Amino acid sequence: DVKVTQSSRYLVKRTGEKVFLECVQDMDHENMFWYRQDPGLGLRLIYFSYDVKMKEKGDIPEGYSVSREKKERFSLILESASTNQTSMYLCASSLLSGEGGELFFGEGSRLTVL
Amino acid sequence: AQSVTQPDIHITVSEGASLELRCNYSYGATPYLFWYVQSPGQGLQLLLKYFSGDTLVQGIKGFEAEFKRSQSSFNLRKPSVHWSDAAEYFCAVVPTSGTYKYIFGTGTRLKVLA
Repeated sequence: DVKVTQSSRYLVKRTGEKVFLECVQDMDHENMFWYRQDPGLGLRLIYFSYDVKMKEKGDIPEGYSVSREKKERFSLILESASTNQTSMYLCASSLLSGEGGELFFGEGSRLTVL
Repeated sequence: AQSVTQPDIHITVSEGASLELRCNYSYGATPYLFWYVQSPGQGLQLLLKYFSGDTLVQGIKGFEAEFKRSQSSFNLRKPSVHWSDAAEYFCAVVPTSGTYKYIFGTGTRLKVLA
């Protein structure tokens, strides 16, 4: 069964802290994505990666960075967390690129920044 | 600009009633089209997708959707709703021009009355 695992379901951090959100997929997918989900705004793409060490900015990359050192792992980093980064973060992966392949999602990481 | 519109933020139906969730997109050509469902506290799961061919597509859990090119719509339907269908539903499109960028609607939250 396909699996995208996000290491932390719930996190509480303080303003200014560095935050790591980890995502691992076991499907050998080329593409991995980080989305942010907020009520009334749907899902907004932060970053995506189409290969190891490759990344591209999405719609809202400001305040975030990513790392993909291994194919199965894609990390989202908040260098200095702020309260406006309180949100649900969803990781996804897909096999097909540029062909509308299905996205497989993790269960999400709900981050609260105090 | 490409966009996806889900005009209904909330919908309430009685168990056993029929359901239709609306989705309209704005794009120059026919994109790939998807419906995802998100149960409370979970990630998103694919219900169905349209790439080409028959404009009525069947999905999991008894859902179907019809692509109407003339209306730029991809509405989701179910003839008889079950209490377990209570969730949030997202329409998404991916342009066919070789991009990774999925565009999501803002979601429709479905409530089912017993």
